[in-house]
Amino acid sequence: DQQVKQNSPSLSVQEGRISILNCDYTNSMFDYFLWYKKYPAEGPTFLISISSIKDKNEDGRFTVFLNKSAKHLSLHIVPSQPGDSAVYFCAARGGSEKLVFGKGTKLTVNP
Amino acid sequence: NAGVMQNPRHLVRRRGQEARLRCSPMKGHSHVYWYRQLPEEGLKFMVYLQKENIIDESGMPKERFSAEFPKEGPSILRIQQVVRGDSAAYFCASSPWTSYEQYFGPGTRLTVT
Repeated sequence: DQQVKQNSPSLSVQEGRISILNCDYTNSMFDYFLWYKKYPAEGPTFLISISSIKDKNEDGRFTVFLNKSAKHLSLHIVPSQPGDSAVYFCAARGGSEKLVFGKGTKLTVNP
Repeated sequence: NAGVMQNPRHLVRRRGQEARLRCSPMKGHSHVYWYRQLPEEGLKFMVYLQKENIIDESGMPKERFSAEFPKEGPSILRIQQVVRGDSAAYFCASSPWTSYEQYFGPGTRLTVT
């Protein structure tokens, strides 16, 4: 059973526009959420996180929004840059240290 | 400050051989995690270790797989008698303490022929 779902396998946006990546989860025990970015043949790189006691966290061009009632979070990247092209993974943690990952969304930012 | 280091980056083994994957955490990090990624899938948790202790191995297959994090030296993920289904990317992550972001290494890509 997939506890963390990223329903869009891919997303394509124009440089300078906003990228919105979505993530849904089913486990109410999750209390901490993270976004990772991954380039081919490299490990995931931590981007931004949010605790379940917050509904928004911002770091430069990256903002994560959490809607607990809908069990939904999203990552906004604005403005998008070609170097943002990568696979983005949503991950969640709750009750233990292990992270539960979604399958990822491949973002392509076109110049 | 070096990041998480993993070696080898690529490993080819024949069916039935043993695979040993090594992970050196970031300096000052005493918590190590192993994840496996199959093609087109997300990362799946395998095991969480602190120095000389296995804290959570709920994601480890019951047979052929083992992990250790000795007092000195890197963490080792060991796969005995590898099968084709073990072919995957294996990632190690580390953190300085619990409930903190995990930082990942570049991964070891295991191919079983």
